[in-house]
Amino acid sequence: AQKITQTQPGMFVQEKEAVTLDCTYDTSDPSYGLFWYKQPSSGEMIFLIYQGSYDQQNATEGRYSLNFQKARKSANLVISASQLGDSAMYFCAMRPFKAAGNKLTFGGGTRVLVKP
Amino acid sequence: DTAVSQTPKYLVTQMGNDKSIKCEQNLGHDTMYWYKQDSKKFLKIMFSYNNKELIINETVPNRFSPKSPDKAHLNLHINSLELGDSAVYFCASSFPTGGVEQFFGPGTRLTVL
Repeated sequence: AQKITQTQPGMFVQEKEAVTLDCTYDTSDPSYGLFWYKQPSSGEMIFLIYQGSYDQQNATEGRYSLNFQKARKSANLVISASQLGDSAMYFCAMRPFKAAGNKLTFGGGTRVLVKP
Repeated sequence: DTAVSQTPKYLVTQMGNDKSIKCEQNLGHDTMYWYKQDSKKFLKIMFSYNNKELIINETVPNRFSPKSPDKAHLNLHINSLELGDSAVYFCASSFPTGGVEQFFGPGTRLTVL
């Protein structure tokens, strides 16, 4: 079974500063994908970034980067130059490649509030 | 040009009633999902369908019955609604293999009174 842990239930960040959201995972599967989603107060789930377990380089997408440390089973999200619109819930998720059905297992989420 | 759509967006109903939520995607994906997000924001998969075939049924009570008439649609019917069914239900879709993201619908907030 897979387990995703996000230890920060909530955090404040000053506008224009960087913030790191922690995510650790537990799986016995040798290959898997790691995902981050954003959920603003309006409720929709927005895909941010993906990292494959065999990818040699850390993923980046604009202001989002993923600090992937496979040996430590961590996949932290870094948001650079925070904006007010970054205030939202952020979810880390994982999917083992060999599991049938493409089930995503989510962490409990981290609420980020960007202060002006 | 909506990618994954759900209707209705809000659903308020009495205990014991039967209700349905509809989901459609126009992304050409083969796989569709239902997730439940509880009041503490925890998201958990309920069902996964690949090309109309049920792949995952994550120990969901059999009051919940998904139906996929074609690979672009996945509906969720709930019988005998209970207070604990109150949640936000998300439909999602993706291609079946590889490290591809799942695209989520806007969610349906179900409130059972």
